[in-house]
Order: sequence, then C-alpha cells, then structure tokens
Amino acid sequence: AQTVTQSQPEMSVQEAETVTLSCTYDTSESNYYLFWYKQPPSRQMILVIRQEAYKQQNATENRFSVNFQKAAKSFSLKISDSQLGDTAMYFCVLRNRDDKIIFGKGTRLHILP
Amino acid sequence: GAGVSQSPSNKVTEKGKDVELRCDPISGHTALYWYRQSLGQGLEFLIYFQGNSAPDKSGLPSDRFSAERTGGSVSTLTIQRTQQEDSAVYLCASSRDSPPSNEQFFGPGTRLTVL
Repeated sequence: AQTVTQSQPEMSVQEAETVTLSCTYDTSESNYYLFWYKQPPSRQMILVIRQEAYKQQNATENRFSVNFQKAAKSFSLKISDSQLGDTAMYFCVLRNRDDKIIFGKGTRLHILP
Repeated sequence: GAGVSQSPSNKVTEKGKDVELRCDPISGHTALYWYRQSLGQGLEFLIYFQGNSAPDKSGLPSDRFSAERTGGSVSTLTIQRTQQEDSAVYLCASSRDSPPSNEQFFGPGTRLTVL
C-alpha cells in the first residue's frame, strides 16, 4: 500500500527562523514524484516544491528546499528565514506513474511575529 | 488566463437533498481531479478524469457520489441523498496532460454543510 505520513500535526516557529517539516512515505514503485503543497487560511492550495525520485539532487525553490532520502523514503521540507506569510497547512504528496496521488494529513505551521 | 474556479463557494443543504458542485478547470488542461477535505484532515482523492479516457472512480466513497465531465472541460460532482458525514470542503484541481511531474492547480473549493 502507498502511504504518506506527516508526523508533526502542528508546529510553531518565530519569524526568521528555519523550520523543517517531516514526511515519510511508502511505495513499491521505483520512479515516482513527491510534492509539497501549501494551503494558507484562504484555502487556496499552492505548489511549493517538487522532486522527481530518479533525481538525486535535492530540489530548491528560493527559501524552500527538500532533503530527499530515497533509501529511507523520507522527504522533508526546510523553510529558511520563515515569514509570516508562510503560515499555512503543508501537505506532503506522493504521485506514482500510474497517477495515484496520496496526500499526507498535513502539518499546520504557525509563524510567530 | 484564469485559474481553476469552483461554484458555489459555500453550500448549505438539508440531509437527504441532492447537491451539485461545479468545477471549471484551466483552459487546455486535460486532467481534472476531485478531492474531499474534511475538517483538519488531508485530501481524500475522489475521482480523476484524463482526456477522453474512462474516469478513475476508485476514490468515490459510495454510489451516492458521481461526477461527469462534459466536453473535456467543466466537471460536476453530484452527491445524492446527502448525509451529515458528507460535510467537507470539496476541492477540484486540473493539470496539463497526465505526466506525474505536472503541477496540479487547485480551485478555492466548495464548503458543503449538511444539516
């Protein structure tokens, strides 16, 4: 069975700090894709970053980066210099080539002023 | 162009009534997805349309749920004989083609409340 586990239901950090959100997954596929999506209070889901499993290099998008450990099936998201606008629910998502999409239950992140 | 739009944004209905939720995907996007998000939970996959292929209905929770996509564009999710446990936010997403690396663009959702 394919699963995505986010072990931190809720986190709070001070503005400008660095925070890491954890995600582990399980799949029998050798090639797949991983995403982090952000859902702010406005409810609009937005893509933060994506990673293709066959690429060893960790994806980076400005202040957002991932630590992809394929053998450990781990895909954590690091947010550097956190900003108030980063306050949101963050979802880790697994997508296989057969288009099955599995969402984690999410981590609610609060950035404190 | 415009993003994914959904209507209505909020719907309150009585138990036992039927409801229709609408999704307008981004023009040119061939893949369309419906998800359900219960309060404080992650997204539960419901159904997936890709071009002219038969839809993947594996996520529909019961036969009270159905969806169609007319002309490869607008989609309607129908819930018959609504129950209180159907209360949730229903999200629609679209993407170009189906390669798994493609980003899904989400609509703002429809919040359904069944009294």
